[in-house]
Amino acid sequence: QSALTQPPSASGSPGQSVTISCTGTSSDVGGYNYVSWYQQHPGKAPKLMIYEVSKRPSGVPDRFSGSKSGNTASLTVSGLQAEDEADYYCSSYAGSNNPYVFGTGTKVTVL
Amino acid sequence: QVQLQESGPGLVKPSETLSLTCTVSGGSITTYYWSWIRQPPGKGLEWIGYMYYSGSNIYNPSLKSRVTISVATSKNQFSLRLSSVTAADTAVYYCARAGYDSQTAFDYWGQGTLVTVSS
Repeated sequence: QSALTQPPSASGSPGQSVTISCTGTSSDVGGYNYVSWYQQHPGKAPKLMIYEVSKRPSGVPDRFSGSKSGNTASLTVSGLQAEDEADYYCSSYAGSNNPYVFGTGTKVTVL
Repeated sequence: QVQLQESGPGLVKPSETLSLTCTVSGGSITTYYWSWIRQPPGKGLEWIGYMYYSGSNIYNPSLKSRVTISVATSKNQFSLRLSSVTAADTAVYYCARAGYDSQTAFDYWGQGTLVTVSS
């Protein structure tokens, strides 16, 4: 099972929006509505930001939103803030034999 | 509030076995799936495997021949053993819970522990 494909980097100015893509196959992203997104600051553990494509855990700002079309999922961060600068990873369920596959990661820079 | 804490040696010699334990507090290990995930320095995340307390385990096919995950229900702990390690196994190792009804997203993570493989 190959890693899901994400752009290496994305950036935006404070207050703007940035969208990160996550491309997989019909065996993972396209086959299930089980895409999740994680934010990771340097030296810290990942934090769940979106689960089941578009659901936000309690405490995650509504500036973070998720969607999916075909084999590609997306995370949008609206109203960028300095604290949003971090690495972001997508993940998808990929079936019972190898259930969790992660994306390659995207570094988001707030200009 | 569920908390996870990894523990174990930070240095392992090549060809030996890496052993880590995750202690769970604030919740029972008899619910949900519990995973090990690793991240080599400067690289992305890799799922290693999960366990369910009843004994059903699933491992990443790329590591399956070297991985064992076991549970100590009475201690609310689960453990990872990775045999025949090489420098490529140097990484921060996290334990995490797959929560929600679907159990397809990791909602709680340990802080991570760096394991270096070196002689």
